[in-house]
Amino acid sequence: SQTIHQWPATLVQPVGSPLSLECTVEGTSNPNLYWYRQAAGRGLQLLFYSVGIGQISSEVPQNLSASRPQDRQFILSSKKLLLSDSGFYLCAWSVGQGGQPQHFGDGTRLSIL
Amino acid sequence: DQQVKQNSPSLSVQEGRISILNCDYTNSMFDYFLWYKKYPAEGPTFLISISSIKDKNEDGRFTVFLNKSAKHLSLHIVPSQPGDSAVYFCAAAGNFGNEKLTFGTGTRLTIIP
Repeated sequence: SQTIHQWPATLVQPVGSPLSLECTVEGTSNPNLYWYRQAAGRGLQLLFYSVGIGQISSEVPQNLSASRPQDRQFILSSKKLLLSDSGFYLCAWSVGQGGQPQHFGDGTRLSIL
Repeated sequence: DQQVKQNSPSLSVQEGRISILNCDYTNSMFDYFLWYKKYPAEGPTFLISISSIKDKNEDGRFTVFLNKSAKHLSLHIVPSQPGDSAVYFCAAAGNFGNEKLTFGTGTRLTIIP
């Protein structure tokens, strides 16, 4: 069966520090991968998605970047965090086309001080 | 521009009664609609989906209804149970050449024992 691992579960970082959140998927090949952010009291905002190694699409201009160095690994990064980067970050995967459901990890709670 | 809207931020329902969660969309190109359930500090869990060629899909206590002419869908949960208390997100997808889901802002459902 497929599983998705996301870490760390919680992270407290000072403003201006770098960020690296990692997500890995097991049990499937060539998944579509996604990074979302849920700000307090808000819905899910798609940040990046990837349909293959090295292929990254950015949804919103921001202080963050994403990379996919391996088929089942998706990394969210920042060189300098802002206060507005605080939130709940979720990684997800899907396979196939045609509205296939995305399956989410347990998320990372990021607090910027 | 919010293409998927959940206009009720919260809903309280007595245990055993029917819970009805509503969702509206604006993009007529959406072909698939999904419902997710989310507990605090966890990732969303896929519940049920429906294709635009159908107007109803049922899975146990969960039924999703789609009214394409009104661009409206709803999730019915019957009977409602205390474990159903969570935030529910509707999402939509289309054949846009990618596998993006567009999420609504969520409805917090509280089941009253």
